Amino acid sequence: GNSVTQMEGPVTLSEEAFLTINCTYTATGYPSLFWYVQYPGEGLQLLLKATKADDKGSNKGFEATYRKETTSFHLEKGSVQVSDSAVYFCALSLPGNNRLAFGKGNQVVVIP
Amino acid sequence: NAGVTQTPKFRVLKTGQSMTLLCAQDMNHEYMYWYRQDPGMGLRLIHYSVGEGTTAKGEVPDGYNVSRLKKQNFLLGLESAAPSQTSVYFCACRGPPAYEQYFGPGTRLTVT
Repeated sequence: GNSVTQMEGPVTLSEEAFLTINCTYTATGYPSLFWYVQYPGEGLQLLLKATKADDKGSNKGFEATYRKETTSFHLEKGSVQVSDSAVYFCALSLPGNNRLAFGKGNQVVVIP
Repeated sequence: NAGVTQTPKFRVLKTGQSMTLLCAQDMNHEYMYWYRQDPGMGLRLIHYSVGEGTTAKGEVPDGYNVSRLKKQNFLLGLESAAPSQTSVYFCACRGPPAYEQYFGPGTRLTVT
């Protein structure tokens, strides 16, 4: 079936550090890929997306590249801020499928 | 535009009580979803709807019912609440052109 796997465990890092959160997927067909962010006490918001292989999604200094050969969509940011502390979810959807498949999410804590 | 709204924001129920959670969207989207979010479990799909008058089961439908009598509203009902239904519930909608999901702010439900 279609699924998304995110790296285990929370991520704690200092302000201005480099952030990477790994996301790999299994899908039949050609999915669209998404990163959602959930700030404390809020719902999920779309952070960025990519709809075909080699596309790069970017927003608010975050980037992710759709890699078909490694079935990955890793999220990166070059210099994190305390305000980036949140939970980040990777997700995929397939054409003609009404549902998104979500990863379990990663808590990111940025320390001043 | 309010986007996706959820009512109520918080609720405490006793075991065996019933309640209805209301989701409303003003985006004119066809698809609507109910998720629950529990620590370490990510988001799990309860029920969804692909249009007015239609509903379908997700991953964890037991103990919940839904109705989509109007396009803009999607109701989630608990007929006899159990402590295992203590969770944060999120509603989402989805539609063209990009088909990403838009989430409400959530309802925190505690069943004692």
